[in-house]
Amino acid sequence: EDKVVQSPLSLVVHEGDTVTLNCSYEVTNFRSLLWYKQEKKAPTFLFMLTSSGIEKKSGRLSSILDKKELSSILNITATQTGDSAIYLCAVSGEFNQGGKLIFGQGTELSVKP
Amino acid sequence: DGGITQSPKYLFRKEGQNVTLSCEQNLNHDAMYWYRQDPGQGLRLIYYSQIVNDFQKGDIAEGYSVSREKKESFPLTVTSAQKNPTAFYLCASRRTGALKGGNTIYFGEGSWLTVV
Repeated sequence: EDKVVQSPLSLVVHEGDTVTLNCSYEVTNFRSLLWYKQEKKAPTFLFMLTSSGIEKKSGRLSSILDKKELSSILNITATQTGDSAIYLCAVSGEFNQGGKLIFGQGTELSVKP
Repeated sequence: DGGITQSPKYLFRKEGQNVTLSCEQNLNHDAMYWYRQDPGQGLRLIYYSQIVNDFQKGDIAEGYSVSREKKESFPLTVTSAQKNPTAFYLCASRRTGALKGGNTIYFGEGSWLTVV
């Protein structure tokens, strides 16, 4: 059965800390891994990763995929209270996978002032 | 502007009632999805559809039904068989076949369903 597992499930840090969120997957026909941030309603897109070892960066956020380990990490440096959210990891399959898009349980990040 | 529209935003269901959540997209996407989200948790897949008149069960399809009669529309019915339907429901659509980075998935604003 395909699955995506995120850890930790929740995390409380103080402003300025650096956090690392983990995502591991078991998917029969992996095509891409996506990270989203969800604050109130619809998730907002952060990164899409398809190639192993290539870091993607956006400001204080960065992410990398390791296809050998079937995992990805999302790093947030110098955290701010506005980073408080649920961070979702999703894995996409195409073709044989039937277009299924599977999400992990999410990591709830709380950044304290 | 292109996007996904979900309605209603808030819905109250009485015990034993069926309710239908609407999801419409004008993005010309082939694939559409329904997810359920419980407080503080991730998204769980209910149903998905890759093409008109075809759909597949996700991980938690019991107590739900869908139809895909038009490319633009993918309504979700929460039946009385769903014993714990109170949750946040998200519809998404996807531009398939594009893997060169960037966002390929679009979400609606979600619908809150509460059983009263």
